[in-house]
Amino acid sequence: AQSVTQLGSHVSVSEGALVLLRCNYSSSVPPYLFWYVQYPNQGLQLLLKYTTGATLVKGINGFEAEFKKSETSFHLTKPSAHMSDAAEYFCAVKDGAGNMLTFGGGTRLMVKP
Amino acid sequence: GAGVSQSPSNKVTEKGKDVELRCDPISGHTALYWYRQSLGQGLEFLIYFQGNSAPDKSGLPSDRFSAERTGGSVSTLTIQRTQQEDSAVYLCASSLGDRGWRSYNSPLHFGNGTRLTVT
Repeated sequence: AQSVTQLGSHVSVSEGALVLLRCNYSSSVPPYLFWYVQYPNQGLQLLLKYTTGATLVKGINGFEAEFKKSETSFHLTKPSAHMSDAAEYFCAVKDGAGNMLTFGGGTRLMVKP
Repeated sequence: GAGVSQSPSNKVTEKGKDVELRCDPISGHTALYWYRQSLGQGLEFLIYFQGNSAPDKSGLPSDRFSAERTGGSVSTLTIQRTQQEDSAVYLCASSLGDRGWRSYNSPLHFGNGTRLTVT
């Protein structure tokens, strides 16, 4: 069985500061990992994904994430937060055994001016 | 349209009534998913379709919930005898899902959801 843990349900940063959203997963097989963003009253939008190959993945809006197998982590970062980054972020894992995407509990990012 | 379309966007119903939620996936996407998003509960998997069949119904919370998909396209999620705890946002997603590697690699594309309120 696969699972995802996002540490911190709420994260607050100042505009221009580093954004770090944490995600740890468990999977019995090599995972496929995803980050999604949800703006208010909207569905989820794919930010980036890791499948195979390079462990540092770049996504939209300046976000990137690094797959670290030894730490079973896939943390999301952005060097400089913008007000428009305020949203809820979900980490998700899909393993090779099926098509179900398992989501973490989400992290709400707040950006202070 | 280009994206996943869900209707209605908002639904208010009285306890005990039945409701139907509709999802129109991206054209050509064979896999379709329903998730439920409740305050403080995160995203809860309900059911997954590959074509018209549902190989994984493990997430349906009770026998009041059912879903079908016809023509490999539109899906309907039905909740019978609604209860207040059914209040949530119901999200539909589709992907290129197929057997094999392509399905594992393809991301899900989400609709904007249906906000269900049971009074």
